[in-house]
Amino acid sequence: AQTVTQSQPEMSVQEAETVTLSCTYDTSESDYYLFWYKQPPSRQMILVIRQEAYKQQNATENRFSVNFQKAAKSFSLKISDSQLGDAAMYFCAYRSPYSGSRLTFGEGTQLTVNP
Amino acid sequence: GAVVSQHPSRVICKSGTSVKIECRSLDFQATTMFWYRQFPKQSLMLMATSNEGSKATYEQGVEKDKFLINHASLTLSTLTVTSAHPEDSSFYICSAKGTGRDNSPLHFGNGTRLTVT
Repeated sequence: AQTVTQSQPEMSVQEAETVTLSCTYDTSESDYYLFWYKQPPSRQMILVIRQEAYKQQNATENRFSVNFQKAAKSFSLKISDSQLGDAAMYFCAYRSPYSGSRLTFGEGTQLTVNP
Repeated sequence: GAVVSQHPSRVICKSGTSVKIECRSLDFQATTMFWYRQFPKQSLMLMATSNEGSKATYEQGVEKDKFLINHASLTLSTLTVTSAHPEDSSFYICSAKGTGRDNSPLHFGNGTRLTVT
């Protein structure tokens, strides 16, 4: 079974600065999908960014980018120019193409943005 | 974008009663829906996978007789917590996958906060 580990329970960043959230995973599969979800205080799960394992190029969505290291099984999220609205719980998630779209989530990282 | 509506957003019930939570895909057909449980400041734990027209698949340790799941149509799945107890108090979230590409993202409902008194 796949596991996802987020080793940073809490992180903080100053507004306009850059922060990197860590995520590692364990799998024996070569093809899979990785996601970062954001859960603000409203508890709504919001997709931030996704990466397909067969793509070597790191995904980017505006201020959000990932550093995908397949050999190291690492999938970190970088948030540039942090904004107050970025404050939330961030979850890294793994999805196997063979498991019917089930998501396996990491423990989460609570991000605080200081003004 | 795809919208998943979950109702109710909050519910308080007495111990021993049952409560039903609905998860609807509003603008797409969802062949598969997932039910998660989330305790405060913890991650989402998958409870079961709901497939339209067939029995749900429950994760290990989840009591299927306590958490009844019905997915009778391509736009609606329901989770019924039967004979609820205070330890069932939690945040329940559904998500749905459309009939698109395999790498299409899941769409999440807004969640239901269940409090059993």
